[in-house]
Amino acid sequence: EVQLLESGGGVLQPGGSLRLSCAASEFIFSSYAMSWVRQAPGKGLEWVSFISGGGVVTKYADSVKGRFTISRDNSKNTLYLQINSLGSEDTAVYYCARLIPARGVFDMWGQGTLVTVSS
Amino acid sequence: DIQLTQSPSTLSASVGDRVTITCRASQSISTWLAWYHQSPGKAPKLLIYKASTLESGVPSRFTGSGSGTEFTLTISSLQPDDFATYYCQQYNSYQYSFGQGTKLEIK
Repeated sequence: EVQLLESGGGVLQPGGSLRLSCAASEFIFSSYAMSWVRQAPGKGLEWVSFISGGGVVTKYADSVKGRFTISRDNSKNTLYLQINSLGSEDTAVYYCARLIPARGVFDMWGQGTLVTVSS
Repeated sequence: DIQLTQSPSTLSASVGDRVTITCRASQSISTWLAWYHQSPGKAPKLLIYKASTLESGVPSRFTGSGSGTEFTLTISSLQPDDFATYYCQQYNSYQYSFGQGTKLEIK
């Protein structure tokens, strides 16, 4: 079964850092662009970042530019999101999603990992 | 950045009803618009892409239409699993954004 599985979330203090991971299975990971999308508690969806299949092209939402870094290791079928200088506004469920650029859509999503920023 | 505005924010309906949700873009996005369904505690699920193309496996009671700046999602005969939150999403030059969501509630 085609699957995305996120990990790395937890409770962190303001100003801290963490790295989220997303393990992909049962599809050719390197052939697909990927993204991170987050959802604050009780709120809507917010696109965070994009990375091309080869990892050469990366894009970010203005709200996270300079603090978030997306990367991937195609040999490990894994997507990453490094988050620095955590603030309360980063509290959210973080989803990794497979992107179909020709359609401009996210056709597969992981179950999400919760990041809570609290002192 | 392109903003998407959905209306209504909340919609009350009954099983068997026909409902329509609207999504307006702050500038033309041609047909680069998708719709997603999200149940509480679950990941979003793609329903429609390119404004009107049904994703594989999605029931035909879901219909999308529109182009430019105005788009609609219509559900022809509501089923119990349809009561959830719906999001529109646009794509433009490696930038993506979502509408604020429409919560479809049981009347």
